Amino acid sequence: AQKITQTQPGMFVQEKEAVTLDCTYDTSDPSYGLFWYKQPSSGEMIFLIYQGSYDQQNATEGRYSLNFQKARKSANLVISASQLGDSAMYFCAMREGSGGFKTIFGAGTRLFVKA
Amino acid sequence: GAGVSQSPSNKVTEKGKDVELRCDPISGHTALYWYRQSLGQGLEFLIYFQGNSAPDKSGLPSDRFSAERTGGSVSTLTIQRTQQEDSAVYLCASSLGSGTSGRGNEQYFGPGTRLTVT
Repeated sequence: AQKITQTQPGMFVQEKEAVTLDCTYDTSDPSYGLFWYKQPSSGEMIFLIYQGSYDQQNATEGRYSLNFQKARKSANLVISASQLGDSAMYFCAMREGSGGFKTIFGAGTRLFVKA
Repeated sequence: GAGVSQSPSNKVTEKGKDVELRCDPISGHTALYWYRQSLGQGLEFLIYFQGNSAPDKSGLPSDRFSAERTGGSVSTLTIQRTQQEDSAVYLCASSLGSGTSGRGNEQYFGPGTRLTVT
């Protein structure tokens, strides 16, 4: 069964610094996709970045990058130049290729950006 | 274009009553998902629909929960004989539905329905 683990319930970062949010996953399916979503205090879930299991390069989207280490089954999110607006919950999620569209989410990490 | 919409935004019901939650996905999105999020927790997968395929109901917590999707668009999540532990935010999302684990399947979420069972 697929599983997503986010071990950091809360993280603090100074404004303008970089921060890494950890995510490890477990699957036996060679084909899978990994997603990161942001949930601000307002509640809406916002897609940030995607990494496919066969992608050769780490995904990047603006200030977001995904440190994908396939052998270690980790997909950490790196946010560069943190902004106050980055304060939110961050969720890692996974879909297995054999699982259709079923997506499993981790427990989340709450990020606090300090001025 | 319009995003995913959900109604009602808030619902307070008495224990034992039935409730219906509605989701209107983004036009053209063939995949639709329901999740439950308890206070301060992650998202719990409930069910998803993809095109005309049979829905994946593997996340529904009990037979009190059911969902349907009419005409490949609007979906309704029904909870019968509500219990206090059903209190949560119910989130709906949709995606293009193309491919399997590839790009284009990031999910777009609605604002959620906050359900309170008293």
